[in-house]
Amino acid sequence: GAGVSQSPSNKVTEKGKDVELRCDPISGHTALYWYRQSLGQGLEFLIYFQGNSAPDKSGLPSDRFSAERTGGSVSTLTIQRTQQEDSAVYLCASSLGWEAPYEQYFGPGTRLTVT
Amino acid sequence: GENVEQHPSTLSVQEGDSAVIKCTYSDSASNYFPWYKQELGKRPQLIIDIRSNVGEKKDQRIAVTLNKTAKHFSLHITETQPEDSAVYFCAASEAAGNMLTFGGGTRLMVKP
Repeated sequence: GAGVSQSPSNKVTEKGKDVELRCDPISGHTALYWYRQSLGQGLEFLIYFQGNSAPDKSGLPSDRFSAERTGGSVSTLTIQRTQQEDSAVYLCASSLGWEAPYEQYFGPGTRLTVT
Repeated sequence: GENVEQHPSTLSVQEGDSAVIKCTYSDSASNYFPWYKQELGKRPQLIIDIRSNVGEKKDQRIAVTLNKTAKHFSLHITETQPEDSAVYFCAASEAAGNMLTFGGGTRLMVKP
């Protein structure tokens, strides 16, 4: 079946502009996660969704970052007034649930470059 | 919150040798420990995981061990092959929420 997909695959934007990153999870997966991977670094947790709810937003780096999920499926990560330090690969993952250890399946990521 | 340390950051071995990557975690509530392999420009892919009620798990050339008392877990790859070359990440999570805290990664290079 189809895996996790993300769009766009690459995004170049000017400092100060807003960007929207999209994630389509695996069908039937109720949990969805956003991570950020800076060049040559590990993965940093940003936010997760139980269905359409985000119980823990403490991982978001600043109030310029927000995310939503609708219909228990597609999620959008929005970065307002982008800064150069926002440049990274943004990875989305989904899993069957959130109340027990479930494997997380990752999407291919969106490479964001802020010039 | 959880903190995961991973060592070494780079590891170079000869084809056929074994490779060992070690991780420590800080939160005693963590009970799930996956390992991901990430090839250059690709997405992370799960290669093996272990839950806290198990001390060791094997899958062909790959094994993971967990010491809950010491809060550390390790990845062992035997008979390494050039296609094992990649960045490996360990991670830890609690059941509630299932959010993963990742280690900093190990770049494994297998020389033919």
